[in-house]
Amino acid sequence: EVQLVESGGGLVQRGGSLRLSCAGSGFAFNSYYMTWVRQAPGGGLEWVANINQDGSEKLYVDSVKGRFSISRDNAKNSLFLQMSGLRADDTAVYFCARESPYCSGDKCYLPGSFDIWGQGTMVAVSS
Amino acid sequence: SYTLTQPPSVSVSPGQTATITCSGDELGDRYACWFQQKPGQSPVLIIYQDYKRPSGIPERFSGSNSGNTATLTISGTQPLDEADYYCQAWDSSTAVFGGGTKLTVL
Repeated sequence: EVQLVESGGGLVQRGGSLRLSCAGSGFAFNSYYMTWVRQAPGGGLEWVANINQDGSEKLYVDSVKGRFSISRDNAKNSLFLQMSGLRADDTAVYFCARESPYCSGDKCYLPGSFDIWGQGTMVAVSS
Repeated sequence: SYTLTQPPSVSVSPGQTATITCSGDELGDRYACWFQQKPGQSPVLIIYQDYKRPSGIPERFSGSNSGNTATLTISGTQPLDEADYYCQAWDSSTAVFGGGTKLTVL
């Protein structure tokens, strides 16, 4: 079964740090881009960051640049999000998601679609 | 920054057709995806590349994308389709989500 399982969420004080993990199973983890998406309480979805297959390319939403760092360990089929300088507006459920390429005929393109999601892990930042 | 706009809510009677729109500048020139999210659950991809359905997604879900609008259509809507629906597209290398539409089946 293809699966993503997040962990590492919790309650942290403003300005603090937290490291989220996402364990993948049931698929060739090292063949896929991976993404973090967050959802504030009662709010919509917000893309946070993604990373390419070997970890050499990373992109972030402007609001987390310089504070969050995405990484991966393909040997352990794991994705990480190191968060520092946490703010109240970082409070959210954080989901990891697999990114599959768009394909047309025999050609495939990235960026693609978020086809597998984890169950999410809650991060609460207290003031 | 690129923005995708969805109606906050849509209501439909069981068995009828629900239509949810997603508007963005020249959205038809990009691929659009749709996600379904039920309370307390993770989002589920239901449409990708404008109109394709992942394995296991019922045929009553269909999508289109042209001009400035992507559309999710649910034919023969069932009570279990009541959920939040989000569209998504890419702006350069940044994923953008619409604000979400709450579909009520009553």
